[in-house]
Amino acid sequence: DVKVTQSSRYLVKRTGEKVFLECVQDMDHENMFWYRQDPGLGLRLIYFSYDVKMKEKGDIPEGYSVSREKKERFSLILESASTNQTSMYLCATTVGRGQYGYTFGSGTRLTVV
Amino acid sequence: KNEVEQSPQNLTAQEGEFITINCSYSVGISALHWLQQHPGGGIVSLFMLSSGKKKHGRLIATINIQEKHSSLHITASHPRDSAVYICAVWDNNDMRFGAGTRLTVKP
Repeated sequence: DVKVTQSSRYLVKRTGEKVFLECVQDMDHENMFWYRQDPGLGLRLIYFSYDVKMKEKGDIPEGYSVSREKKERFSLILESASTNQTSMYLCATTVGRGQYGYTFGSGTRLTVV
Repeated sequence: KNEVEQSPQNLTAQEGEFITINCSYSVGISALHWLQQHPGGGIVSLFMLSSGKKKHGRLIATINIQEKHSSLHITASHPRDSAVYICAVWDNNDMRFGAGTRLTVKP
């Protein structure tokens, strides 16, 4: 089974801090995604990557950046955390473009105070 | 308006009841997924559908492509079924997610 590991389950950061969320997959999947999940809104795509050093903006990229230096690792960066970035962050990976479904990490619940 | 609408948003049931969760979508799709998210966050895939009906244990998923509608049924519900159930559709370019249905099954 594909395993997707997110480095932290719970994280509390202060406003203005630079925050790194790490995601590592143990299969050879090209495609990786970062979502945030908020009550009533469902999952919203922040950024995705189809290859090493490649990144594409999703629906809500503002305030975020990403890094993919190695195929297995996709990092989400909050350059200057703000309280409206308090959310659940989910990493996912997939074979192909996504038509066969995603494998999700266990999520990181980030609180910005 | 969200391209994927789920109903109800919240559902509370007694153990043993038959549960139905509905999903309607407005885009053309090639596949629909039902996902389950337990408290703590991890999401697992339950079904992938492109037509008809699928069954796995007490879970049944159906899809009507013409009506752009899918249902997830749980027979003989149990407290361990308590979770958020998420409908997602693949429109040949992107995966679009519903907001989820929070199910609580009381003993």
